[in-house]
Amino acid sequence: QVQLVQSGAEVRKPGASVKVSCKASGYTFTGYFINWVRQAPGQGPEWMGWINPNSGGTNYAQNFQGRVTMTRDTSITTAYMELSSLRSDDTAVYYCAKSGRDCSNTNCYSYFDLWGRGTLVTVSS
Amino acid sequence: DIVMTQSPDSLAVSLGERATINCKSSQSVLYSSNNKNYLAWYQQKPGQPPKLLIYWASTRESGVPDRFSGSGSGTDFTLTISSLQAEDVAVYYCHQYYNIPLTFGPGTKVDIK
Repeated sequence: QVQLVQSGAEVRKPGASVKVSCKASGYTFTGYFINWVRQAPGQGPEWMGWINPNSGGTNYAQNFQGRVTMTRDTSITTAYMELSSLRSDDTAVYYCAKSGRDCSNTNCYSYFDLWGRGTLVTVSS
Repeated sequence: DIVMTQSPDSLAVSLGERATINCKSSQSVLYSSNNKNYLAWYQQKPGQPPKLLIYWASTRESGVPDRFSGSGSGTDFTLTISSLQAEDVAVYYCHQYYNIPLTFGPGTKVDIK
């Protein structure tokens, strides 16, 4: 069935990096952008950026520029999000979410029609 | 950045009664070239990811009960649950996808009175 399956929970120390994976199935992986959204405890969602699985092109939110890297491996229909220089306020659930509409090659202003179940990243010394 | 605000922060409604949630954007999310409002609504239950309910401000996602409806245009939007059911207890978020960065409202918690 159509789904996004994310990797398991992670614990990191401040200053470290974390890489979360998101495996897509049940639809054409290269046809729809993948977004990464995080949600801190008790807060609303925060968009981090997107990747075009077809071209590998990315667009990162300004808040994460220089710390986030989104990549993909089309051979295994998996997207990745790596966040570096972790701080305690990066503790959150990280979601991948599929764009609900097909988009231009470079931009995708879209709602999210399919979400992964989330990956809890805890940053603590 | 487009700032999304929601009201109320929380509300409690009797089973079978109407629940109304408001969302306001700091600038218009209506794209004039296609006359579409780039506004979506999601439902989130504890321990679950958000679930898409409404997109283009008023288009119901496939499989979403018709008691959920969205309305509004420009900067002011409303999500209405016409007859609240027990399974509708959740936090509801609005989301603008008109401009980068894509942004979400702070959420409205809906409970049973």
